[in-house]
Amino acid sequence: QVVLTQSPSASASLGASVNLTCTLSSGHSSNAIAWHQQQPEKGPRYLMKVNADGNHIRGDDIPDRFSGSSSGPERYLTISSLQSEDEADYYCQTWGTRIVLFGGGTKLTVL
Amino acid sequence: QMQLQESGPGLVKPSGTLSLTCDVSGVFVSSTKWWSWVRQSPGKGLEWIGEIYHNGNTNYSPSLKSRVTISIDQSKNQFSLKLTSVTAADTAVYYCASPKWLRGELDCWGQGTLVTVSS
Repeated sequence: QVVLTQSPSASASLGASVNLTCTLSSGHSSNAIAWHQQQPEKGPRYLMKVNADGNHIRGDDIPDRFSGSSSGPERYLTISSLQSEDEADYYCQTWGTRIVLFGGGTKLTVL
Repeated sequence: QMQLQESGPGLVKPSGTLSLTCDVSGVFVSSTKWWSWVRQSPGKGLEWIGEIYHNGNTNYSPSLKSRVTISIDQSKNQFSLKLTSVTAADTAVYYCASPKWLRGELDCWGQGTLVTVSS
């Protein structure tokens, strides 16, 4: 069964860029994943899908400051020109034949 | 544009049954996609509960499978969640969600509804 691993926390300065990582467990490096953002006291918001080849497809109205990429079992979310409203929890999500799974989430602090 | 809206009691007694409904607008639940329920306990991450297809086929989280039933009502354009034998550990915000296409990335989320299990 696939497992998604995320670092619990990350931080970066206002205006800088940050990379968040989601790692797929062994044997599942071809899985696509989705990234979701959850701002404080709000529901999740879909950001994008990231395929194993690194191609990413942003959701509606997601600014191009958000981008995705891949390397082997790792899927990345890059946020550039960090803004205060980017301070949030970020979750990766994948799916199998009969299951949907989330990573544990990364809490991003904008300094 | 598709929208999802959860509804149901905000308070359920221990050992009781949690029942929630997700009203779907902008698309028919008979569409060829899987409709999901996700929850988030206070201070915790997202947990997938299960999903249903328009023909009634279901998949459930192994950890909740024995207590969960998801159903679909095409006449009301909604799908529902029942969770039996609830305890305080089931206190959470419950979300309904769906992918753009058949399965995959959950690109549409309801706003969520808080359900508290308490006597």
